[in-house]
Amino acid sequence: DIQMTQSPASLSASLEEIVTITCQASQDIGNWLAWYQQKPGKSPQLLIYGATSLADGVPSRFSGSRSGTQYSLKISRLQVEDIGIYYCQQASSAPLTFGSGTKLEIK
Amino acid sequence: EVQLVESGGGLVQPGRSLKLSCLASGFTFSNYGMNWIRQAPGKGLEWVASISSSSSYIYYADTVKGRFTISRDNAKNTLYLQMTSLRSEDTALYYCARLRISNWYFDFWGPGTMVTVSS
Repeated sequence: DIQMTQSPASLSASLEEIVTITCQASQDIGNWLAWYQQKPGKSPQLLIYGATSLADGVPSRFSGSRSGTQYSLKISRLQVEDIGIYYCQQASSAPLTFGSGTKLEIK
Repeated sequence: EVQLVESGGGLVQPGRSLKLSCLASGFTFSNYGMNWIRQAPGKGLEWVASISSSSSYIYYADTVKGRFTISRDNAKNTLYLQMTSLRSEDTALYYCARLRISNWYFDFWGPGTMVTVSS
């Protein structure tokens, strides 16, 4: 199975700050990587797919990048509505696996 | 508007069975692969099972293989998860999620239905 190691586990940042979350895949998954946002008490929502493509309706302050088997989600200017838990997911092969999540809070 | 609404959750004793349903609307259900994903209380996301649009391809996580069965009725726009031999570790919020066409990303999720396995 492909393991997704996500960091940090939690993050506290100030409004308008740049935030970066990373995921390391245990093997090559190409660009088969997605990021999800789960707001408190809600279902997860797709943010990024194909490592870098923004899902419909997602603000442009979110972006994704890839360097080898390391993937990053960047929020360029943190807003209050961005608080929640962020998960990466590999879509390369079954079993589909998620990272352990990053809890993002406002400082 | 795409909508997925799960039902069928509840409190069940270990070793018993339960069947979840997910009613889809707002899109052509028969064109999309569908999935069940679960989240134990206070924990992360765990993919459970996937089924292709015509039920030709079905995949399960090792943790549920042999105990859970995913199925669908395209005429009723409904996805199912039959769960047998339930264990305490199956306690979770079960989400129904749609796959983006031609890949393995979950583009729409339902609100979930809670399954609690306890004596």
